[in-house]
Amino acid sequence: NAGVTQTPKFQVLKTGQSMTLQCAQDMNHEYMSWYRQDPGMGLRLIHYSVGAGITDQGEVPNGYNVSRSTTEDFPLRLLSAAPSQTSVYFCASRGGVAKNIQYFGAGTRLSVL
Amino acid sequence: AQTVTQSQPEMSVQEAETVTLSCTYDTSENNYYLFWYKQPPSRQMILVIRQEAYKQQNATENRFSVNFQKAAKSFSLKISDSQLGDTAMYFCAFMKIQGAQKLVFGQGTRLTINP
Repeated sequence: NAGVTQTPKFQVLKTGQSMTLQCAQDMNHEYMSWYRQDPGMGLRLIHYSVGAGITDQGEVPNGYNVSRSTTEDFPLRLLSAAPSQTSVYFCASRGGVAKNIQYFGAGTRLSVL
Repeated sequence: AQTVTQSQPEMSVQEAETVTLSCTYDTSENNYYLFWYKQPPSRQMILVIRQEAYKQQNATENRFSVNFQKAAKSFSLKISDSQLGDTAMYFCAFMKIQGAQKLVFGQGTRLTINP
């Protein structure tokens, strides 16, 4: 039972590079979200989706794009990486019977030099 | 907008002791969910316990229990008979029932259980 799978686990980028963080879930959950975790600030919502084809901005969306073409996948794109985007990124999903419980992936540690 | 505050950045107790982590929140909503998540050094976010605001009874999960004070907007986590494996960051989180149902997290409390 895979749950929420994030790839890669670690990534180092140079300023200005672009990349996509992958997130996939196998629980047929409608809701998916991306968070970033910075020291002393807890987790902050970047973007979220309430279903395939529907996305919306969270608290800190600038510099990130998302799309939701399938129920299973919710990739996060960094268009032009900046040092301020150095963080740990978490993908989460929820749905089914226990709709209020979010299940998290293992996280991606991103460093932008 | 909702906010969640954890006023204890770090706590440390001896194994087998009881420890209480504090959390307060601010909202104008009447119905919502509250959660405690644990994040061990592995970085994985693990749900510890959840509380539905319309339920007056405090939630319990084995050694973990909460003290939910709705009027005071307080949601503390009590860990009984603490174990070395309880060492982790603990995050309090809030979610509305209506609308987009986004999770709002506190800043976290780093808990260390000493042998």
